[in-house]
Amino acid sequence: NAGVTQTPKFRVLKTGQSMTLLCAQDMNHEYMYWYRQDPGMGLRLIHYSVGEGTTAKGEVPDGYNVSRLKKQNFLLGLESAAPSQTSVYFCASGEQYTEAFFGQGTRLTVV
Amino acid sequence: DQQVKQNSPSLSVQEGRISILNCDYTNSMFDYFLWYKKYPAEGPTFLISISSIKDKNEDGRFTVFLNKSAKHLSLHIVPSQPGDSAVYFCAARSGSEKLVFGKGTKLTVNP
Repeated sequence: NAGVTQTPKFRVLKTGQSMTLLCAQDMNHEYMYWYRQDPGMGLRLIHYSVGEGTTAKGEVPDGYNVSRLKKQNFLLGLESAAPSQTSVYFCASGEQYTEAFFGQGTRLTVV
Repeated sequence: DQQVKQNSPSLSVQEGRISILNCDYTNSMFDYFLWYKKYPAEGPTFLISISSIKDKNEDGRFTVFLNKSAKHLSLHIVPSQPGDSAVYFCAARSGSEKLVFGKGTKLTVNP
């Protein structure tokens, strides 16, 4: 009963390094989302996908790229990390008129 | 421009009393609304939702009210319990579009 699994859970990056966050869901959901949570800012949508092979920009897409090559996976990439990308990242999956299920989060620190 | 607004960053209530959390939205195309609860160091968990064709939805101690003309929804928790202490997020979506969240309200229920 895994639900939505995020890998890794913690990561420290140096400015300029790149990394990929993996989100995997086992509920056969069409929709997947990447959010970041910062103090006082709530959950802000970075990118989302409404099906395999599709991606779309959210509210704060700059500095991030995503891919949805397989229905169950949604990857979030940082090509050149900046301190402003220090945040907690949440992945979620769901369907159009149902709730979205969230992963446990990835705490990323860029130094 | 924030489409979902939670104007109260925090709310404190006594155990056993009613908690009322408010949310306003600006996009008249939103047709599905959700409330999530979030504990520290965990992912958000779904509480309750409401479709725009309804004005009320109830699930145990939780009731969501939707006032489309005022573009306002509220979450009522009766009776409030100390375990309800968490950050509550309001979210909204239009059709197959992105799911957007408010900044959250921190609820503290005092014993």
